[in-house]
Amino acid sequence: GENVEQHPSTLSVQEGDSAVIKCTYSDSASNYFPWYKQELGKRPQLIIDIRSNVGEKKDQRIAVTLNKTAKHFSLHITETQPEDSAVYFCAVLGGSNYQLIWGAGTKLIIKP
Amino acid sequence: NAGVTQTPKFQVLKTGQSMTLQCAQDMNHEYMSWYRQDPGMGLRLIHYSVGAGITDQGEVPNGYNVSRSTTEDFPLRLLSAAPSQTSVYFCASTPQGAVNTEAFFGQGTRLTVV
Repeated sequence: GENVEQHPSTLSVQEGDSAVIKCTYSDSASNYFPWYKQELGKRPQLIIDIRSNVGEKKDQRIAVTLNKTAKHFSLHITETQPEDSAVYFCAVLGGSNYQLIWGAGTKLIIKP
Repeated sequence: NAGVTQTPKFQVLKTGQSMTLQCAQDMNHEYMSWYRQDPGMGLRLIHYSVGAGITDQGEVPNGYNVSRSTTEDFPLRLLSAAPSQTSVYFCASTPQGAVNTEAFFGQGTRLTVV
């Protein structure tokens, strides 16, 4: 079945700098790649997603890039702000079922 | 429009007890799912449903049952609670028959089994 690895597990960056989180997956038929943000004690919320027919998608300070050949996709956050501090999860939808497989999460810490 | 509502928010059970976690959505979503979230392990799918009357197993179904008698409700039953089931449980729904769109999560249930 699908296997999703997410790195790093913790990322600490200076406010204003950029942050990059990477996920790799194993099933080449996977076709949907969302990113969720979870603040402490809250529910996960979708921040951006990308489908397999697109290589990059941007929404203000957040972007996602997808490399289907290498089977990895990355979340890019520019000009980080204190409110970006949270745990970020990637997920992958396999090509043959209705199950989202999730990465283990990255705790992003924004230093003032 | 309440979205996805889970109850209870917190629960403590003794080993061997049974209970039902409730999940309801008012968005007429076809797809609903239950996840458990453990530290360092992300979200793991327990069971899911693509519509009323249809359920299927996810990644970690053992010890849990579900049913989907209506579009709105998707309860999760713990048959005989074990300490290994201590976790945070999330219910989620998506608006289409497939999962390739935004999932809306409930607020979560923090379950402790002693």
